[in-house]
Amino acid sequence: EAGVAQSPRYKIIEKRQSVAFWCNPISGHATLYWYQQILGQGPKLLIQFQNNGVVDDSQLPKDRFSAERLKGVDSTLKIQPAKLEDSAVYLCASRGTSGEGTQYFGPGTRLLVL
Amino acid sequence: AQSVTQLDSHVSVSEGTPVLLRCNYSSSYSPSLFWYVQHPNKGLQLLLKYTSAATLVKGINGFEAEFKKSETSFHLTKPSAHMSDAAEYFCVVYYTGGFKTIFGAGTRLFVKA
Repeated sequence: EAGVAQSPRYKIIEKRQSVAFWCNPISGHATLYWYQQILGQGPKLLIQFQNNGVVDDSQLPKDRFSAERLKGVDSTLKIQPAKLEDSAVYLCASRGTSGEGTQYFGPGTRLLVL
Repeated sequence: AQSVTQLDSHVSVSEGTPVLLRCNYSSSYSPSLFWYVQHPNKGLQLLLKYTSAATLVKGINGFEAEFKKSETSFHLTKPSAHMSDAAEYFCVVYYTGGFKTIFGAGTRLFVKA
């Protein structure tokens, strides 16, 4: 089966610009996650979707970050305006309906804000 | 509060020697436990998982981990390190009651020739 797809793989922008990342989860996976991984740190959960509803967005900086999963399949994460500290890898993961919680990760999008 | 502690931020071993990466968790419930590996500039790959079946779990690339409920530990081991094992390893706990996933801070494994 196809894995989690993300695009773009790399993005360089200047501060105050906007950027969007796209994720397509494994087919049939109802749960989708966006993580931010700053260099040298573990992934930090930004937002978790269950189908097209938000389960947890407590660590999403809502003044500049937004995410949607309108049809309950693919998802977009947006940053507007970007700050230097947003430079990180943005990881998308999906989870199926079994109760044991295995997440499958995409390759990530590496963002550099100059 | 629910937490995951990886006891070593860095571990260095020589090729061919055993690997031990330590992980402790706090839990009021029986969690699912995972180890993921992340090679440089790569995404996270699942190494192995514990989901309330056998307490000794075997994963890919010769890794295994033992769930010890009395010690709330889930340490990752490998009998003989290979250069290709050099990477970042994350212990992850999934609390089924709250549908919450918590990542450890990671352990960087260095393998010396």
